[in-house]
Amino acid sequence: EAQVTQNPRYLITVTGKKLTVTCSQNMNHEYMSWYRQDPGLGLRQIYYSMNVEVTDKGDVPEGYKVSRKEKRNFPLILESPSPNQTSLYFCASSLAAYNEQFFGPGTRLTVL
Amino acid sequence: KNQVEQSPQSLIILEGKNCTLQCNYTVSPFSNLRWYKQDTGRGPVSLTIMTFSENTKSNGRYTATLDADTKQSSLHITASQLSDSASYICVVSAYNNAGNMLTFGGGTRLMVKP
Repeated sequence: EAQVTQNPRYLITVTGKKLTVTCSQNMNHEYMSWYRQDPGLGLRQIYYSMNVEVTDKGDVPEGYKVSRKEKRNFPLILESPSPNQTSLYFCASSLAAYNEQFFGPGTRLTVL
Repeated sequence: KNQVEQSPQSLIILEGKNCTLQCNYTVSPFSNLRWYKQDTGRGPVSLTIMTFSENTKSNGRYTATLDADTKQSSLHITASQLSDSASYICVVSAYNNAGNMLTFGGGTRLMVKP
């Protein structure tokens, strides 16, 4: 089944404790992206990747890191999480940026 | 700066009624425009895509229109059902030297009541 998977789905952590949210797609898509969604603010792009080893900042990259060492995986790294990073995070992939994006199920992160 | 604005922010309608959601954009140069449906707590799912040359496209009870001159799009939902309750997001793609860039609207939250 073609899909985008994210792990974990739910995470409660404390300020400053490094964490990684994994994202994997099995559709051989070149474009992958991370978004955060907060009440009243809609989806905001954190980072995106046009292809392997190519990543770029989105609208709200501060406090996040990503890597794209292989086509199928695009992990989101929070080196020192803070409470303002409490949010719902979505990973998405597509053949190219202008194609239909397929979204993962979301990761609900709470930073205490 | 590229922007996508959606209206209304929220809408409540009765089951069986029609409604129209609006999307205005100032994205250039335009590549395409997509409407996504997002159920609460789940990832968005694409409903339709509109390219520069297309005026209307339908997907079941959903009909999207595009006026590239006025940079406006609408999503019309016919004979609404309870399952239409969701957020609807307009996403516009633009070309640049790095490839295609995406600009997201803030979404319209639709609630269909019995």
